[in-house]
Amino acid sequence: IAGITQAPTSQILAAGRRMTLRCTQDMRHNAMYWYRQDLGLGLRLIHYSNTAGTTGKGEVPDGYSVSRANTDDFPLTLASAVPSQTSVYFCASSPERNQPQHFGDGTRLSIL
Amino acid sequence: QKEVEQNSGPLSVPEGAIASLNCTYSDRGSQSFFWYRQYSGKSPELIMSIYSNGDKEDGRFTAQLNKASQYVSLLIRDSQPSDSATYLCAVPRDYGQNFVFGPGTRLSVLP
Repeated sequence: IAGITQAPTSQILAAGRRMTLRCTQDMRHNAMYWYRQDLGLGLRLIHYSNTAGTTGKGEVPDGYSVSRANTDDFPLTLASAVPSQTSVYFCASSPERNQPQHFGDGTRLSIL
Repeated sequence: QKEVEQNSGPLSVPEGAIASLNCTYSDRGSQSFFWYRQYSGKSPELIMSIYSNGDKEDGRFTAQLNKASQYVSLLIRDSQPSDSATYLCAVPRDYGQNFVFGPGTRLSVLP
């Protein structure tokens, strides 16, 4: 079934550790996005990529990095996790930028 | 003024009634608008897109857009308990941040 796969589904991580959240899509979408969703704050864009080889900063990029080596994969890395990064992380994709997005099932991340 | 605003709710309606969800936006240059539904503990799913002034209907859902008033709404006719969810309004931008989501309105349809 075509769609977006995120891994892991959930993770508990010690502060200061490095963590990479994986996102893969098989729809050949050019644009991909990473969001975090926190209670009361809604969905906030962390980073985006409008096409393979390019990335851009969203609303809350600090502490996160991304890469887009190919069309399908868009990993999100926390270089040194902090408790404020505890959140639910959603990866999304769209055929082109500014078109309707399809979301993965999310990763629930807890930083202790 | 926030870029995309929605009433947080909860909005409670009886089963069979019309639920009206509203969204206002600040960027007059916005050209397209999307409504997503998010069930508790799940990811957002797209339910409606609208690009021009007026109404767009899809089954029990109607999206209404008024660019002059910078207002987009979602009507759900014959509301069902299965419609109980948070509804997110999203507005893409041509500059800066790629996409802006509103905070969402929580809808509760009472049997």
